[in-house]
Amino acid sequence: GAVVSQHPSRVICKSGTSVKIECRSLDFQATTMFWYRQFPKQSLMLMATSNEGSKATYEQGVEKDKFLINHASLTLSTLTVTSAHPEDSSFYICSARDRSSGGAGTGELFFGEGSRLTVL
Amino acid sequence: GEDVEQSLFLSVREGDSSVINCTYTDSSSTYLYWYKQEPGAGLQLLTYIFSNMDMKQDQRLTVLLNKKDKHLSLRIADTQTGDSAIYFCAEIRANTDKLIFGTGTRLQVFP
Repeated sequence: GAVVSQHPSRVICKSGTSVKIECRSLDFQATTMFWYRQFPKQSLMLMATSNEGSKATYEQGVEKDKFLINHASLTLSTLTVTSAHPEDSSFYICSARDRSSGGAGTGELFFGEGSRLTVL
Repeated sequence: GEDVEQSLFLSVREGDSSVINCTYTDSSSTYLYWYKQEPGAGLQLLTYIFSNMDMKQDQRLTVLLNKKDKHLSLRIADTQTGDSAIYFCAEIRANTDKLIFGTGTRLQVFP
């Protein structure tokens, strides 16, 4: 099946620094990718929809300037947590759909393995 | 409240069947999914069902969908200790790719 790769899988950083997380679709092209955040023992919360070649669409309550999303190509989206603070520590997961599989809502979404961010 | 709700915990004996329930609110949902998440890991797609179906079986897994009541269930037959994990149901709204996740059910299987 299709593979979505996230990197890094774990990252520890100091408060005030910025961290970039990459999400790559390895064997398919993804016009749209999604970024989720998961707090410990909680569900996944959709943060934003990453659109190739255009600005990301953020969900209500998600700070655009805090979580910068860039979808530079059909196989890569990046999430940058700027000026990270301990409350940004979380598990971040991306997903993508093979754009050749049909119209919106018609097929399987593939998930990355997630990136665990710890801000000290 | 949550758009997609699940009971938080389920504990079953090895070899028994497990039934995990999910209720959703959006009648326009086109696909409904079940994902498994093991500790510290990402999501693994188990199965999905299209909204015009009422049942889907895949080996030990049976998905039942009651669209009228907006109720989805996942039955795991002959539950094994390796099935211990958190199970999330999720829905895709019509004409979007946005997955809305349920609250998750932690399944614990004991010998």
